[in-house]
Amino acid sequence: DAGVIQSPRHEVTEMGQEVTLRCKPISGHNSLFWYRQTMMRGLELLIYFNNNVPIDDSGMPEDRFSAKMPNASFSTLKIQPSEPRDSAVYFCASSVGQGEETQYFGPGTRLLVL
Amino acid sequence: SQQGEEDPQALSIQEGENATMNCSYKTSINNLQWYRQNSGRGLVHLILIRSNEREKHSGRLRVTLDTSKKSSSLLITASRAADTASYFCASTPGGSYIPTFGRGTSLIVHP
Repeated sequence: DAGVIQSPRHEVTEMGQEVTLRCKPISGHNSLFWYRQTMMRGLELLIYFNNNVPIDDSGMPEDRFSAKMPNASFSTLKIQPSEPRDSAVYFCASSVGQGEETQYFGPGTRLLVL
Repeated sequence: SQQGEEDPQALSIQEGENATMNCSYKTSINNLQWYRQNSGRGLVHLILIRSNEREKHSGRLRVTLDTSKKSSSLLITASRAADTASYFCASTPGGSYIPTFGRGTSLIVHP
């Protein structure tokens, strides 16, 4: 298995632009997580899907952030409009079951908003 | 606030020494996991210990869990320079399916 796939690996954009991050979870995994990692705040859970349904989005910072999972093999995290404080590494992770088991992380997308 | 907090925040040792990292959490848990993150990479799962277990081993790793103290420790024996990474604990509170990650311990192993 290729593991969790994320794209792009790096993104540099200007403030106000729309950013879309993509994730392909491991086949057969039921749960998908989006995280944001910064030096200041550590690893923050943004949203958690189970069987393609958003279960907990309490970590989504504000309305500028949205996430979708149209099918079991694809998810997107969108930031519109982006701001410099959104600069971070964004990770996608997947797991079997409802999410309490081992999570498999993707390589992350390093986002820089100028 | 974080469910799990690692201690120390940073640890620097010589190759061959043992490294011990601790994790404390606030509420009762279903399980606790340890992950490793190399610089610029995603997190990699190391070991999972369930609330009814007290100790688990995996190669040079030894994890203990003390539910009465709400704490866990990760011991890496005979450390190697390649063990240099950040180590995170993730605890899943009882009644939840979502693990909560701590801030991590940064381990440097000098050759």
